[in-house]
Amino acid sequence: AQSVSQHNHHVILSEAASLELGCNYSYGGTVNLFWYVQYPGQHLQLLLKYFSGDPLVKGIKGFEAEFIKSKFSFNLRKPSVQWSDTAEYFCAVSPPWGNTGKLIFGQGTTLQVKP
Amino acid sequence: DGGITQSPKYLFRKEGQNVTLSCEQNLNHDAMYWYRQDPGQGLRLIYYSQIVNDFQKGDIAEGYSVSREKKESFPLTVTSAQKNPTAFYLCASSTRSRSSNYGYTFGSGTRLTVV
Repeated sequence: AQSVSQHNHHVILSEAASLELGCNYSYGGTVNLFWYVQYPGQHLQLLLKYFSGDPLVKGIKGFEAEFIKSKFSFNLRKPSVQWSDTAEYFCAVSPPWGNTGKLIFGQGTTLQVKP
Repeated sequence: DGGITQSPKYLFRKEGQNVTLSCEQNLNHDAMYWYRQDPGQGLRLIYYSQIVNDFQKGDIAEGYSVSREKKESFPLTVTSAQKNPTAFYLCASSTRSRSSNYGYTFGSGTRLTVV
């Protein structure tokens, strides 16, 4: 079945460590890609998105993601995490068919940053 | 300020009861969505609506119903047919056009518990 997969369900890091969260999707064709973050007790909010152009996308709070079409991947990275990055992270894909605007989400990754 | 309002924040349902979750937006967005969030499963699409008086089933529509009588409102009814309704429910809205990058805005969610 077509889907979005996040490899890591729970990641624990110390402050200043580097972060990479994996995301793979199985849709062919042109897709739009997103990373959302949900801080404890807060709304889901957009970190970054990719539609076209430079496959290295920069988002808010120092996050970036790289789209590798040949690998169907859109991994999220941050060179040095902070305690305030503790949150749940969701990768999402807007499939290529139709114009529905619906997003398909991955299972989510809980990031815990230790001070 | 523009945004999405979900109410109530917490809802308790007895076995066999139907309950309705409210979602209102003042963003003038055409499209609205209902997602269900469960630990380890990410967000799964229940129903979505691209325009008033029209809606489509998502991946897990069984046991749920919706209506879209007004652009601003997209209430979700969790019926007694839904076998495992305890979850966190998120409403979202977006612009409809792919060219406008599907800016999703999420509500703060309703946590439904069956008692």
